[in-house]
Amino acid sequence: DQQVKQNSPSLSVQEGRISILNCDYTNSMFDYFLWYKKYPAEGPTFLISISSIKDKNEDGRFTVFLNKSAKHLSLHIVPSQPGDSAVYFCAASAGGNTPLVFGKGTRLSVIA
Amino acid sequence: NAGVMQNPRHLVRRRGQEARLRCSPMKGHSHVYWYRQLPEEGLKFMVYLQKENIIDESGMPKERFSAEFPKEGPSILRIQQVVRGDSAAYFCASSPQRQPGNTIYFGEGSWLTVV
Repeated sequence: DQQVKQNSPSLSVQEGRISILNCDYTNSMFDYFLWYKKYPAEGPTFLISISSIKDKNEDGRFTVFLNKSAKHLSLHIVPSQPGDSAVYFCAASAGGNTPLVFGKGTRLSVIA
Repeated sequence: NAGVMQNPRHLVRRRGQEARLRCSPMKGHSHVYWYRQLPEEGLKFMVYLQKENIIDESGMPKERFSAEFPKEGPSILRIQQVVRGDSAAYFCASSPQRQPGNTIYFGEGSWLTVV
């Protein structure tokens, strides 16, 4: 039973355009959401997070949007750069130090 | 300010041997998590530990796998009598105590290959 779903295994975007990565969740107890970026043979790197009391959080080229009623969040990267090519994982937490639940990831390829 | 340190980075074991993976959390972090990534899969939670305590081991296979985080020294994930299906990347992560949202920071991972 997957509580965090990333339905697109891969996404290809041209350099300079916007990348939109999507994530859906089923557990209404989740109140904190994160995105991680992972390069091959490396550990995941924290990118950006959002609390359930907000609907948007922005950090430079990265913006995360949260739609609680739809149980959906998305990561926008604009403008996309070739160095953004990686696997992006969506994760969710039910509060405190409870373990994060991860999606299966979306492989983003930014084409020059 | 060192990040999460994992060793070994790569480990090859024959079927039936034991594998020990070590993890030192970031300085000031008292919570450790172990995740496993099988080929072409996402990150699966295995176990959550604080110093000398296992808090949540709901993702840990019932047999052959164990984890500890002693008062002194790194956290250890131990896999006894390894089988080919244990071949995976094992990631350790840590977080500080008492934060409103749980942002965890990962190490570089330990790649286990069972031959």
